[in-house]
Amino acid sequence: QLQLQESGPGLVKPSETLSLMCTVSGGSISSSSYYWGWIRQPPGMGLEWIGSISYSGSTFYNPSLRSRVTLSVGTSKNQISLNLTSVTAADTALYYCARQPTTLTTTPRPGFPDFWGQGALVTVSS
Amino acid sequence: SYELTQPPSVSVSPGQTARITCSGDALPKKYAYWYQQKSGQAPVVVIYEDSNRPSGIPERFSGSSSGTVATLTISGAQVEDEADYYCYSTDTSGNHRVFGGGTKLTVL
Repeated sequence: QLQLQESGPGLVKPSETLSLMCTVSGGSISSSSYYWGWIRQPPGMGLEWIGSISYSGSTFYNPSLRSRVTLSVGTSKNQISLNLTSVTAADTALYYCARQPTTLTTTPRPGFPDFWGQGALVTVSS
Repeated sequence: SYELTQPPSVSVSPGQTARITCSGDALPKKYAYWYQQKSGQAPVVVIYEDSNRPSGIPERFSGSSSGTVATLTISGAQVEDEADYYCYSTDTSGNHRVFGGGTKLTVL
């Protein structure tokens, strides 16, 4: 049974880097059939796609966050990581990782998130 | 940047039909997806590729898309359908994913 588990510090200071890990169990991230994405949700607000990465390292980022976001894949540990630099209070949110089936287009791209973790709350505060 | 626009709230009585719209310029060319998010839970997809219902989703949930507007319809809404609903799609390039702002459905 597929499980996605987000983990990382629950509190980050302003201007520092937010780092989260998503551990996938019950399935392998080393498949061309899927991308792996991050989505966040500030308290009481809506969903925001952050970015997606394939097992081969192909990435797609939200233009509004591109300059601060890095996604990477750790295939040996079946993990996907998220780094978000120079955080402010506006980055306080519940961070979800999700599986995204690869779309069968001329250029492989992440499809819709079809399976989600339960999320990790990160608060940015001094 | 690309945006999908949803009404902030929709309210219906139990048994009535609820319709939630999602507007976006790329929707004539790109699929819409709909997610249900109940309080304290992760989102769950209820409609994919405009009008397809995943297994386990009740038949009262349906989706359609015409021009720049996609619509989620809940026929005979139940109290347990109270939730936030989000549409999701991509821009015309296919490179950027976006969620609508969300619609709070009240059934009472």
